[in-house]
Amino acid sequence: EAQVTQNPRYLITVTGKKLTVTCSQNMNHEYMSWYRQDPGLGLRQIYYSMNVEVTDKGDVPEGYKVSRKEKRNFPLILESPSPNQTSLYFCASSTGGEVGELFFGEGSRLTVL
Amino acid sequence: DAKTTQPNSMESNEEEPVHLPCNHSTISGTDYIHWYRQLPSQGPEYVIHGLTSNVNNRMASLAIAEDRKSSTLILHRATLRDAAVYYCILRRNTGKLIFGQGTTLQVKP
Repeated sequence: EAQVTQNPRYLITVTGKKLTVTCSQNMNHEYMSWYRQDPGLGLRQIYYSMNVEVTDKGDVPEGYKVSRKEKRNFPLILESPSPNQTSLYFCASSTGGEVGELFFGEGSRLTVL
Repeated sequence: DAKTTQPNSMESNEEEPVHLPCNHSTISGTDYIHWYRQLPSQGPEYVIHGLTSNVNNRMASLAIAEDRKSSTLILHRATLRDAAVYYCILRRNTGKLIFGQGTTLQVKP
C-alpha cells in the first residue's frame, strides 16, 4: 500500500531535549516536505526536498533541521525544542515538480513543556 | 509575496453544488493551483490541480479564471462526507508551496 509513515504519532517532551520525527515513503517519490499546523494559522511549510541531498527552507524553518540522505526518508530534527514548537506536524511526498499529487502522512502531535 | 485568500467558512445543503472560491492575485506564471481537503484528525488529501485550463476529475471540477488570479473548486453534489477544510495551494516549480488559510465547509442534511 502506498503510504507516508510518520513516527512518533504523539510525543510529549521537555524544552531543550533533542528529538527527531521520522518520515518514510514507499512510493519512490523525489519530493518530500514537512508542515506544521496550528489553530488559526493553517498549514505552513517548514522544509522541503526536491531530491536526495537537496533541501530548502519553507516559510517557518527556524528551530528545525532536516536531512535527505536517502530517497525514502526525510527526518525532521528539533535540536532544542521550545514550547512554541508545540504543534501538529505533517510530512508529505510526491513525484517531482509542481504537478505531482502530494501524499500526506497521518500527522505527529508534538507537545513541548 | 504570493499568497492565496479563501473565505473562512461556507455552508451547503446536501446534494447541492458547492463553489469554493480562492483568490491568488499574485500568482506567478508557472505556479500550479492545487486543492486539498482535510477531514478531522486526518492529513490533507489531494482533490484536484490545474495550470490554466479548467479540470475535471471524479471528485470535483476546478475552474480557473482567464487571468489566473482566482479559481473555484466545484463539488457538483455535496454529501455529508464532503464536510472538511478545503485548502487552495499554489505549488511552485522550486518545490515551495503557498497555502491559504482554508475554508471550512459545512454540509447540512
